[in-house]
Amino acid sequence: AQSVTQPDIHITVSEGASLELRCNYSYGATPYLFWYVQSPGQGLQLLLKYFSGDTLVQGIKGFEAEFKRSQSSFNLRKPSVHWSDAAEYFCAVEYGNKLVFGAGTILRVKS
Amino acid sequence: ETGVTQTPRHLVMGMTNKKSLKCEQHLGHNAMYWYKQSAKKPLELMFVYSLEERVENNSVPSRFSPECPNSSHLFLHLHTLQPEDSALYLCASSQDTRGSSYNEQFFGPGTRLTVL
Repeated sequence: AQSVTQPDIHITVSEGASLELRCNYSYGATPYLFWYVQSPGQGLQLLLKYFSGDTLVQGIKGFEAEFKRSQSSFNLRKPSVHWSDAAEYFCAVEYGNKLVFGAGTILRVKS
Repeated sequence: ETGVTQTPRHLVMGMTNKKSLKCEQHLGHNAMYWYKQSAKKPLELMFVYSLEERVENNSVPSRFSPECPNSSHLFLHLHTLQPEDSALYLCASSQDTRGSSYNEQFFGPGTRLTVL
Protein backbone atom coordinates (compact mmCIF):
# COMPACT_ATOMS: atom_id res chain seq x y z
CA ALA A 1 0.00 0.00 0.00
CA GLN A 2 1.11 3.53 -0.68
CA SER A 3 2.41 5.32 2.39
CA VAL A 4 4.23 8.46 3.39
CA THR A 5 6.56 8.63 6.38
CA GLN A 6 7.63 11.79 8.11
CA PRO A 7 10.05 10.53 10.75
CA ASP A 8 10.16 13.72 12.80
CA ILE A 9 7.03 14.61 14.77
CA HIS A 10 8.55 17.83 16.12
CA ILE A 11 11.52 19.92 15.02
CA THR A 12 12.81 23.06 16.71
CA VAL A 13 15.21 25.41 14.94
CA SER A 14 16.55 28.84 15.70
CA GLU A 15 15.42 31.75 13.62
CA GLY A 16 17.86 32.23 10.76
CA ALA A 17 19.06 28.64 10.84
CA SER A 18 18.61 26.21 7.99
CA LEU A 19 15.82 23.65 7.94
CA GLU A 20 15.33 20.20 6.48
CA LEU A 21 12.14 18.22 6.95
CA ARG A 22 12.28 14.58 5.93
CA CYS A 23 9.77 12.67 3.87
CA ASN A 24 9.94 9.11 2.56
CA TYR A 25 7.29 7.48 0.42
CA SER A 26 6.34 4.05 -0.71
CA TYR A 27 4.96 3.97 -4.23
CA GLY A 28 5.74 1.73 -7.17
CA ALA A 29 5.44 4.16 -10.06
CA THR A 30 6.80 7.66 -10.58
CA PRO A 31 5.11 9.64 -7.87
CA TYR A 32 3.52 13.03 -7.80
CA LEU A 33 4.79 14.58 -4.57
CA PHE A 34 3.62 17.55 -2.57
CA TRP A 35 4.46 19.54 0.52
CA TYR A 36 1.69 21.41 2.34
CA VAL A 37 1.85 23.75 5.32
CA GLN A 38 -0.85 24.27 7.92
CA SER A 39 -0.84 27.19 10.29
CA PRO A 40 -2.89 26.92 13.49
CA GLY A 41 -6.61 27.15 12.78
CA GLN A 42 -6.07 27.15 9.04
CA GLY A 43 -6.43 24.75 6.15
CA LEU A 44 -3.54 23.33 4.17
CA GLN A 45 -1.60 25.52 1.76
CA LEU A 46 0.49 24.04 -1.03
CA LEU A 47 4.19 24.90 -0.75
CA LEU A 48 5.49 23.02 -3.77
CA LYS A 49 4.97 19.97 -5.95
CA TYR A 50 6.97 17.55 -8.07
CA PHE A 51 5.59 15.85 -11.16
CA SER A 52 8.58 15.29 -13.42
CA GLY A 53 11.73 16.92 -14.75
CA ASP A 54 14.17 18.77 -12.55
CA THR A 55 14.39 16.94 -9.24
CA LEU A 56 14.96 20.16 -7.30
CA VAL A 57 11.73 22.12 -7.13
CA GLN A 58 11.22 25.61 -5.84
CA GLY A 59 8.15 26.62 -3.91
CA ILE A 60 6.62 29.58 -2.17
CA LYS A 61 8.03 31.31 0.90
CA GLY A 62 11.60 30.37 0.01
CA PHE A 63 11.13 26.61 0.35
CA GLU A 64 12.59 23.99 -1.95
CA ALA A 65 12.48 20.20 -2.08
CA GLU A 66 14.58 17.57 -3.76
CA PHE A 67 13.21 14.33 -5.19
CA LYS A 68 15.61 11.42 -4.82
CA ARG A 69 14.26 8.31 -6.46
CA SER A 70 17.04 6.07 -5.14
CA GLN A 71 16.15 7.00 -1.58
CA SER A 72 12.38 7.34 -2.12
CA SER A 73 12.67 10.72 -0.47
CA PHE A 74 11.32 14.20 -1.00
CA ASN A 75 12.87 16.35 1.72
CA LEU A 76 11.84 19.95 2.24
CA ARG A 77 14.50 22.60 2.85
CA LYS A 78 14.82 26.26 3.61
CA PRO A 79 18.17 28.02 4.01
CA SER A 80 17.04 30.52 6.65
CA VAL A 81 13.95 30.02 8.78
CA HIS A 82 11.72 32.89 9.84
CA TRP A 83 9.53 32.92 12.96
CA SER A 84 6.47 32.97 10.70
CA ASP A 85 7.44 29.53 9.35
CA ALA A 86 6.31 27.92 12.62
CA ALA A 87 3.52 25.58 11.52
CA GLU A 88 2.82 21.95 10.72
CA TYR A 89 4.17 20.56 7.47
CA PHE A 90 2.70 17.65 5.55
CA CYS A 91 4.25 15.61 2.78
CA ALA A 92 1.86 13.85 0.39
CA VAL A 93 1.96 11.50 -2.57
CA GLU A 94 -0.77 11.31 -5.18
CA TYR A 95 -2.08 7.84 -5.88
CA GLY A 96 -4.88 7.57 -8.40
CA ASN A 97 -7.39 10.17 -7.34
CA LYS A 98 -6.15 10.30 -3.76
CA LEU A 99 -3.59 12.24 -1.82
CA VAL A 100 -1.93 10.10 0.81
CA PHE A 101 -0.51 12.25 3.57
CA GLY A 102 2.21 11.76 6.11
CA ALA A 103 1.46 12.35 9.78
CA GLY A 104 3.04 15.78 9.70
CA THR A 105 6.02 17.53 11.29
CA ILE A 106 5.47 20.39 13.69
CA LEU A 107 8.08 23.10 13.27
CA ARG A 108 8.89 25.34 16.19
CA VAL A 109 11.10 28.40 15.68
CA LYS A 110 12.98 29.85 18.61
CA SER A 111 14.34 33.38 18.65
CA GLU B 1 -15.11 35.55 -2.05
CA THR B 2 -12.26 33.43 -3.37
CA GLY B 3 -10.86 29.97 -2.81
CA VAL B 4 -12.55 27.37 -0.65
CA THR B 5 -14.75 28.41 2.23
CA GLN B 6 -16.23 26.30 5.01
CA THR B 7 -18.98 26.99 7.50
CA PRO B 8 -19.26 26.87 10.38
CA ARG B 9 -15.67 27.20 11.53
CA HIS B 10 -16.49 25.68 14.92
CA LEU B 11 -19.29 23.33 15.90
CA VAL B 12 -20.18 21.70 19.19
CA MET B 13 -22.90 19.08 19.11
CA GLY B 14 -24.39 16.37 21.25
CA MET B 15 -24.47 12.76 20.15
CA THR B 16 -28.17 12.93 19.33
CA ASN B 17 -28.00 16.12 17.27
CA LYS B 18 -28.16 16.46 13.51
CA LYS B 19 -25.97 19.09 11.90
CA SER B 20 -24.41 19.83 8.53
CA LEU B 21 -21.05 21.15 7.42
CA LYS B 22 -20.92 23.28 4.30
CA CYS B 23 -18.14 23.78 1.80
CA GLU B 24 -18.13 26.12 -1.16
CA GLN B 25 -15.46 26.55 -3.80
CA HIS B 26 -15.13 29.59 -6.05
CA LEU B 27 -12.42 28.16 -8.30
CA GLY B 28 -14.46 26.55 -11.05
CA HIS B 29 -13.22 23.11 -10.08
CA ASN B 30 -14.94 19.83 -10.88
CA ALA B 31 -13.83 17.74 -7.91
CA MET B 32 -14.41 18.17 -4.20
CA TYR B 33 -13.20 16.23 -1.18
CA TRP B 34 -13.89 15.74 2.52
CA TYR B 35 -10.98 14.93 4.84
CA LYS B 36 -10.88 14.20 8.56
CA GLN B 37 -7.90 15.46 10.54
CA SER B 38 -7.56 13.97 14.01
CA ALA B 39 -4.81 14.80 16.45
CA LYS B 40 -1.56 12.96 15.77
CA LYS B 41 -2.98 11.07 12.77
CA PRO B 42 -2.51 11.59 9.04
CA LEU B 43 -5.30 13.25 7.13
CA GLU B 44 -7.94 10.70 6.25
CA LEU B 45 -9.75 10.99 2.96
CA MET B 46 -13.48 10.46 3.53
CA PHE B 47 -15.26 11.22 0.27
CA VAL B 48 -14.47 12.35 -3.26
CA TYR B 49 -16.94 13.86 -5.69
CA SER B 50 -16.29 14.46 -9.37
CA LEU B 51 -18.88 16.42 -11.32
CA GLU B 52 -21.34 15.92 -8.47
CA GLU B 53 -20.92 12.13 -8.56
CA ARG B 54 -19.37 10.30 -5.62
CA VAL B 55 -16.28 8.47 -6.83
CA GLU B 56 -14.72 7.50 -3.54
CA ASN B 57 -16.09 6.45 -0.18
CA ASN B 58 -13.37 5.32 2.16
CA SER B 59 -15.32 3.05 4.49
CA VAL B 60 -16.79 5.98 6.33
CA PRO B 61 -19.53 5.20 8.90
CA SER B 62 -23.06 5.92 7.74
CA ARG B 63 -23.47 8.57 10.41
CA PHE B 64 -21.57 10.76 7.95
CA SER B 65 -23.61 11.49 4.83
CA PRO B 66 -22.17 13.64 2.03
CA GLU B 67 -24.17 15.63 -0.49
CA CYS B 68 -22.93 17.44 -3.59
CA PRO B 69 -25.81 19.35 -5.20
CA ASN B 70 -23.54 21.04 -7.74
CA SER B 71 -19.84 21.32 -8.48
CA SER B 72 -19.44 24.38 -6.26
CA HIS B 73 -21.04 23.06 -3.08
CA LEU B 74 -20.38 20.10 -0.83
CA PHE B 75 -22.13 19.21 2.40
CA LEU B 76 -21.41 16.72 5.14
CA HIS B 77 -24.52 15.77 7.09
CA LEU B 78 -23.87 14.52 10.60
CA HIS B 79 -26.17 12.49 12.85
CA THR B 80 -25.73 10.42 16.01
CA LEU B 81 -22.02 11.07 16.11
CA GLN B 82 -19.63 9.69 18.71
CA PRO B 83 -17.05 11.60 20.77
CA GLU B 84 -14.26 10.01 18.72
CA ASP B 85 -15.65 11.83 15.69
CA SER B 86 -14.36 15.08 17.16
CA ALA B 87 -11.80 16.39 14.69
CA LEU B 88 -11.04 19.07 12.13
CA TYR B 89 -12.99 18.41 8.94
CA LEU B 90 -11.33 19.81 5.86
CA CYS B 91 -12.84 20.36 2.46
CA ALA B 92 -10.75 20.60 -0.69
CA SER B 93 -11.30 21.03 -4.40
CA SER B 94 -9.29 20.36 -7.53
CA GLN B 95 -9.69 20.78 -11.26
CA ASP B 96 -10.46 17.10 -11.63
CA THR B 97 -9.68 13.80 -9.96
CA ARG B 98 -7.29 12.28 -12.44
CA GLY B 99 -3.64 12.05 -11.53
CA SER B 100 -2.16 14.91 -13.49
CA SER B 101 -0.43 18.21 -13.13
CA TYR B 102 -3.83 19.82 -12.77
CA ASN B 103 -4.80 17.90 -9.68
CA GLU B 104 -3.55 20.39 -7.13
CA GLN B 105 -5.96 20.39 -4.24
CA PHE B 106 -6.97 23.64 -2.61
CA PHE B 107 -8.09 23.37 0.99
CA GLY B 108 -10.59 25.28 3.04
CA PRO B 109 -9.85 26.39 6.63
CA GLY B 110 -11.78 23.50 8.12
CA THR B 111 -14.58 23.05 10.63
CA ARG B 112 -13.49 22.18 14.16
CA LEU B 113 -16.09 19.69 15.38
CA THR B 114 -16.52 18.71 19.01
CA VAL B 115 -18.96 15.93 19.90
CA LEU B 116 -20.04 15.86 23.52
